[in-house]
Amino acid sequence: GQQVMQIPQYQHVQEGEDFTTYCNSSTTLSNIQWYKQRPGGHPVFLIQLVKSGEVKKQKRLTFQFGEAKKNSSLHITATQTTDVGTYFCAAPYSSASKIIFGSGTRLSIRP
Amino acid sequence: NAGVMQNPRHLVRRRGQEARLRCSPMKGHSHVYWYRQLPEEGLKFMVYLQKENIIDESGMPKERFSAEFPKEGPSILRIQQVVRGDSAAYFCASSLDQGQPQHFGDGTRLSIL
Repeated sequence: GQQVMQIPQYQHVQEGEDFTTYCNSSTTLSNIQWYKQRPGGHPVFLIQLVKSGEVKKQKRLTFQFGEAKKNSSLHITATQTTDVGTYFCAAPYSSASKIIFGSGTRLSIRP
Repeated sequence: NAGVMQNPRHLVRRRGQEARLRCSPMKGHSHVYWYRQLPEEGLKFMVYLQKENIIDESGMPKERFSAEFPKEGPSILRIQQVVRGDSAAYFCASSLDQGQPQHFGDGTRLSIL
């Protein structure tokens, strides 16, 4: 079945360094969504990308959707301690319309 | 504009008892999803419901687990004869339409003694 592969599983960075997480699918996606889950919290929707090659920014966060609509990335510039958490990508599963989540990338930061 | 409401936040059950988890979707949302999450792990899809109908239950164990979303009232995830392995956080999410961004509740942390 359709899967969304996400790497890396963990990332430990110094505060102020950049961070990137990647999602890949073997099939074309209708859209891709990104969520953030703080430790002990619940996933919170960040953004949805729909168009081929789309790039969206939210302050220090940059989201990209690949030209083939099979991959996506989330890049954080100059990380801060408030960025700590797990970042999930998610996409609708073919025609069944349930959302498939990637395994997540857990970001930790050294102050 | 209340978000997704889940209760209880924490639930403790002894092995063999029943656990009943409730979820009220965001106002105007008729699509509800249930996920299970173990500590330090990802979100495992369980079931997708739309008012009175189960759309996809491919992630739900065939035995002991059931879900409903009645015409009136919250969605219910029911686990019968709980076992230690059922201990996890159970999240409910709702969306305005299929495949659209989901809004999550705070989750129910289920502990089995």
